[in-house]
Amino acid sequence: AQTVTQSQPEMSVQEAETVTLSCTYDTSESDYYLFWYKQPPSRQMILVIRQEAYKQQNATENRFSVNFQKAAKSFSLKISDSQLGDAAMYFCAYRRYGQNFVFGPGTRLSVLP
Amino acid sequence: EAQVTQNPRYLITVTGKKLTVTCSQNMNHEYMSWYRQDPGLGLRQIYYSMNVEVTDKGDVPEGYKVSRKEKRNFPLILESPSPNQTSLYFCASSSPGGRVDTEAFFGQGTRLTVV
Repeated sequence: AQTVTQSQPEMSVQEAETVTLSCTYDTSESDYYLFWYKQPPSRQMILVIRQEAYKQQNATENRFSVNFQKAAKSFSLKISDSQLGDAAMYFCAYRRYGQNFVFGPGTRLSVLP
Repeated sequence: EAQVTQNPRYLITVTGKKLTVTCSQNMNHEYMSWYRQDPGLGLRQIYYSMNVEVTDKGDVPEGYKVSRKEKRNFPLILESPSPNQTSLYFCASSSPGGRVDTEAFFGQGTRLTVV
């Protein structure tokens, strides 16, 4: 069964600095999708960024970018110019076509003013 | 607006009193799921459905029931709630996934407390 690991239960970053959240996953498949979701104190689950495994180019969305290392099964999220509104729980998730999502345990990010 | 609507947002109940949490989506998604979120454990899947009248157990199905009589609705039923079911619950919907529209869309969450 696929598993997703986030080895950092908590992290903190100074406002305007850059932080990287780690995610590794276990799969024997070659075609799948990876996601980062953000959960602010409002509890709403918000999609931050998505990566298709067949694409070699790393996805970016404004201040958010990923480092996708397929051979290493690693999918880290980089947040540049951190803002107070970035403080949240971040979940990494894996999915194959037609299959369910598998979520990691989450990383709680604090942003220090 | 594309959305998943989940109700109620907060619920306090007593042990053994049957309850239902409703979930409805307006995106014509085939897939719907229920998750519970507990500290340090992330999101664990309770039940999922890949289409009308098709449901299957997730990782933690004990004590829960679901039904999928219509494509848009996927209620979660706790026949006899117990304190260990105190948790934050999420409903989510998605398409089967393809080259587009692969992500899950989540409801607002239901904070359930069983006393």
